[in-house]
Amino acid sequence: NAGVTQTPKFQVLKTGQSMTLQCAQDMNHNSMYWYRQDPGMGLRLIYYSASEGTTDKGEVPNGYNVSRLNKREFSLRLESAAPSQTSVYFCASSLGQRNTEAFFGQGTRLTVV
Amino acid sequence: SQQGEEDPQALSIQEGENATMNCSYKTSINNLQWYRQNSGRGLVHLILIRSNEREKHSGRLRVTLDTSKKSSSLLITASRAADTASYFCAFSGAGSYQLTFGKGTKLSVIP
Repeated sequence: NAGVTQTPKFQVLKTGQSMTLQCAQDMNHNSMYWYRQDPGMGLRLIYYSASEGTTDKGEVPNGYNVSRLNKREFSLRLESAAPSQTSVYFCASSLGQRNTEAFFGQGTRLTVV
Repeated sequence: SQQGEEDPQALSIQEGENATMNCSYKTSINNLQWYRQNSGRGLVHLILIRSNEREKHSGRLRVTLDTSKKSSSLLITASRAADTASYFCAFSGAGSYQLTFGKGTKLSVIP
């Protein structure tokens, strides 16, 4: 049982390049989330998908786009990477009902130079 | 920002002591959760307390929730070196699917 799988684990981009972070869960969860984690800032929500077919902005959506490809997969795209997007990105999923826990992937460490 | 606030930001204790960390938030909530993160790893869920509960236990963990003060605390009793990690509170607002995290408390347990 893999849980939440993120790829890649590490990535270095040049300013202006684009890339897509992939996330897949095998727990039949309805809700999926993308967070970024920066030192001293905790986790900040970028986008979330309450259920298949819906996506909504979180606290820090600028510079990102998402796609809920199906129930299992939720991708995060950086169209034109900037150094301010250097961060650790976490994908998470939950049943999406009230009072349920979230399960996290191992993270993607992204550096934009 | 609707982020939770945790204090202290860092805590260093001796093995065997108790560790207490606090979380405050600003909105009405469905529930409040605590997560643990070991260095370089993803977050792992520890415990969830519903908005109509005041206290909950799980092993060496004790969580309290005071919705009138919009605050929660996590107590780890008889700490071990393996408890060294960062601890985050997280909450979902009433009627929301968003899960919002605090900035975390970094706990160091010295053997």
